[in-house]
Amino acid sequence: DTEVTQTPKHLVMGMTNKKSLKCEQHMGHRAMYWYKQKAKKPPELMFVYSYEKLSINESVPSRFSPECPNSSLLNLHLHALQPEDSALYLCASSQGPGTTYEQYFGPGTRLTVT
Amino acid sequence: AQTVTQSQPEMSVQEAETVTLSCTYDTSESDYYLFWYKQPPSRQMILVIRQEAYKQQNATENRFSVNFQKAAKSFSLKISDSQLGDAAMYFCAYRYRDDKIIFGKGTRLHILP
Repeated sequence: DTEVTQTPKHLVMGMTNKKSLKCEQHMGHRAMYWYKQKAKKPPELMFVYSYEKLSINESVPSRFSPECPNSSLLNLHLHALQPEDSALYLCASSQGPGTTYEQYFGPGTRLTVT
Repeated sequence: AQTVTQSQPEMSVQEAETVTLSCTYDTSESDYYLFWYKQPPSRQMILVIRQEAYKQQNATENRFSVNFQKAAKSFSLKISDSQLGDAAMYFCAYRYRDDKIIFGKGTRLHILP
């Protein structure tokens, strides 16, 4: 099973709202990733968790807060977002260090900030 | 710094024909991995093919094959017998030690019936 699931599929939120995106994988992967993708652009890396520890933060604004409760779950907490944060948010996972690192992507959450 | 360049923003190919998507990259590393990912419109990004830099043999997955030229830092994707379902954005990607993938800007492939 090479499936990464993400919920919700779509999310509309106001600039004062607090919401969370959820990602789940059951492939035994030890690395998980959050990407932001604008229309017709490649994904931009936001965060990497390796063995449940945050290993890479690509200077993402603090209004985005990642969390990795366990090796299968990855959350992205959102607060006080701006309209320019509207995008497709992709989660991915890979086997982790010492492997080919190919990443498996979820279907994404399409976020609209009003 | 590592970079990935896809010089063809869009391409079209007739159904059943062969098409080649270009990708070049820049790196000073000797150990790395290269990937082609496919993202159909409003659908999930999926891995098409991968190539380990230490392998001289070009990777092949069914109708998809690569031409990996390490010295030239070139990694092109050939799609044979193109099918309507191949229509998508194709991203070339490079990964090295620190678990970061760098994507090219993508090539939008249209399949003409």
